[in-house]
Amino acid sequence: ILNVEQSPQSLHVQEGDSTNFTCSFPSSNFYALHWYRWETAKSPEALFVMTLNGDEKKKGRISATLNTKEGYSYLYIKGSQPEDSATYLCALGPYNQGGKLIFGQGTELSVKP
Amino acid sequence: DSGVTQTPKHLITATGQRVTLRCSPRSGDLSVYWYQQSLDQGLQFLIQYYNGEERAKGNILERFSAQQFPDLHSELNLSSLELGDSALYFCASSAGTTGYTEAFFGQGTRLTVV
Repeated sequence: ILNVEQSPQSLHVQEGDSTNFTCSFPSSNFYALHWYRWETAKSPEALFVMTLNGDEKKKGRISATLNTKEGYSYLYIKGSQPEDSATYLCALGPYNQGGKLIFGQGTELSVKP
Repeated sequence: DSGVTQTPKHLITATGQRVTLRCSPRSGDLSVYWYQQSLDQGLQFLIQYYNGEERAKGNILERFSAQQFPDLHSELNLSSLELGDSALYFCASSAGTTGYTEAFFGQGTRLTVV
C-alpha cells in the first residue's frame, strides 16, 4: 500500500513568518508529485506538479523542491500572510496507475495577523 | 472557479437509499476522477475515466459505480447507502490521463446519510 505522509499536521504562525512543510512518499513508485492548496469551503487548487529529481518550482511567495531519490518534497512559504491560511496537500502520482493521485493528510496552516 | 461543476452541492438521504452525483469536467478535459473525503481521512481516490473508458480504479466499494458519458460528463452512483458513506465527494478533471497531469477539482458534493 502506497502511503504519503505530511508533517506537521498543523502549523500556527504570525504574519511575516516564513514556514515550510514536508511531504514524504515511497520513491520506488514515483511518477509525479503534486501540491494543492485547499481553503475551507472551496475546491483544492493545484500549486505545482513536479516530476524530476531536483525540481524547484516557484509561484509568488510559495516554492517547492523535490527529491525523488530519498522520497520527499518541501513546500516553502516566504513572509506568510493571513490569506495563506489553508490546508496544503501533497499527492503522489504513482507510476503506471493512470492519473490516480494518492493524497497525504495535509498540513493545516493558520497565519495570524 | 476551476471550471469543474458538481451537482448537487449538498445531499441528505436515508440509509439504504441510492443517490447519483453528477460532474461536468472543464471544457476539453477528457479525464474525470472521483475522490472521497470521509471524516479524519485524506482524499481517497475512487475511480478515473478517460474519454468514456475506465482508466484506473481505487478502493471503490461494489455498492458504488461510475460512468462517463459521450459528452464527457460523469456520474457516481452510490447505492444501499450506509451511515459510513457520509462524506465529501469530489470530482476532478484533467486534459491527460497520467499522474503528471494537473487535475482541477470541483467544489464537491456533501453527502449526509441519516
